[in-house]
Parts: sequence; structure tokens; C-alpha cells
Amino acid sequence: SAVISQKPSRDICQRGTSLTIQCQVDSQVTMMFWYRQQPGQSLTLIATANQGSEATYESGFVIDKFPISRPNLTFSTLTVSNMSPEDSSIYLCSVVHFLGTEGNIQYFGAGTRLSVL
Amino acid sequence: AQKITQTQPGMFVQEKEAVTLDCTYDTSDPSYGLFWYKQPSSGEMIFLIYQGSYDQQNATEGRYSLNFQKARKSANLVISASQLGDSAMYFCAMREKGAQKLVFGQGTRLTINP
Repeated sequence: SAVISQKPSRDICQRGTSLTIQCQVDSQVTMMFWYRQQPGQSLTLIATANQGSEATYESGFVIDKFPISRPNLTFSTLTVSNMSPEDSSIYLCSVVHFLGTEGNIQYFGAGTRLSVL
Repeated sequence: AQKITQTQPGMFVQEKEAVTLDCTYDTSDPSYGLFWYKQPSSGEMIFLIYQGSYDQQNATEGRYSLNFQKARKSANLVISASQLGDSAMYFCAMREKGAQKLVFGQGTRLTINP
């Protein structure tokens, strides 16, 4: 499995500001994902980040609000822009570990717990 | 339409007992994968077990096993000999063929009582 380091682990931010979350993997991976988990809810995919191409966003998420960078095969950032209290969530990055013909597993970072005041 | 359904919002189990967490799924794709994750209060998502749609046998990982009933479209997680540290949220998820993203159920909060 991959070791995924996510920073910061938590933050408290003022509305209108932006926060950049970093995700570092200990091995090269093709696909990285960013998920959001609102309080008491399940996980929802924000976007898929592939190295060398623009991120692919899911319905309801836009690049202006959640810009993503993927400069190489081991690193990605997600920025939560112009934050409001509704952005208070846990943000998690994940990577795909391929098992060959047996399929693949997604492993997650420890998450960033964001509170917006 | 809900693709993953977890009907148990919360469960309370005595320590050392076995527990079954329910998960049903909906897909018309013949090739898919089913996953269970554990989320402690710290927020991290811990991978527990994986079952491929073509796997003939139920997946097992230590105290975790997946009761895969394909015709019923169910993928229940069984935890044997539960421990206090098993108290957490548990999420069932599915990945369909051709897609790498996971679709998650709403989760079950499991509490193990001493």
C-alpha cells in the first residue's frame, strides 16, 4: 500500500480566505483523487487529478472554487477558495494502488479537518 | 439513484461478539469492486477489505470477512470477536468498471460496549 501524507491535519479559517491542502505520496501514482466529507455525511468526490493534465471535476464542483495542482506523480494540492462556513468539512486525498488483474484499491490520507468561521 | 445503501445508521455490540454490517448495491455493470473502510473519530479512512465481482470466494482479512451475495447484490462486512477499538464509522463503497472513483454509502456507526 502507499503511504500518504496530508497537510495540514486541521485548520480553522476565516470566511473569505483560502486554504491549500497538500498531499504527498511515497511512490509514483497515476491517479489521485480529492474527496469532501461534510459533517455527518459520507464522502463525495470533488475531482480526479492526473499528472500532466487538468483535473476532472465532478458535478457541483468547479475549478474556481477548488483549484487543483498535480505537478508530478507524487504530489498534489487542493485549494479551497473564498471559504464560507459551508466549506467546513474533512477533505481527503486518495491514490489508486493497482493489484493487476485483481482490480485496484484506493488508499486515503489522514484527511484535513477544516472549520470556517 | 442511491447506488450503495447502508440501512443501519448505528449499531451497538458487546465486546467479543461478532457483528454484521449491511451493504446493498445497485449496478448493471458485470464488473465492479466492493470495498469497506473504517473511519475512526480522527477522520482518516482505513481500507479494510475488497471484493471483486468475479471473485468466487468471499474475501477475508484477519477478523474481517465480506459476505458477498451477488444475486442479492449485497456485500455485508462481518467482524469477528469485536474489540473496543472497532468502534468507528464504517463505509461500504463501490467502483464500477471503467471508473476509478468510489461511490460511498452513508455509513454505519458501530459502538462496541465493554
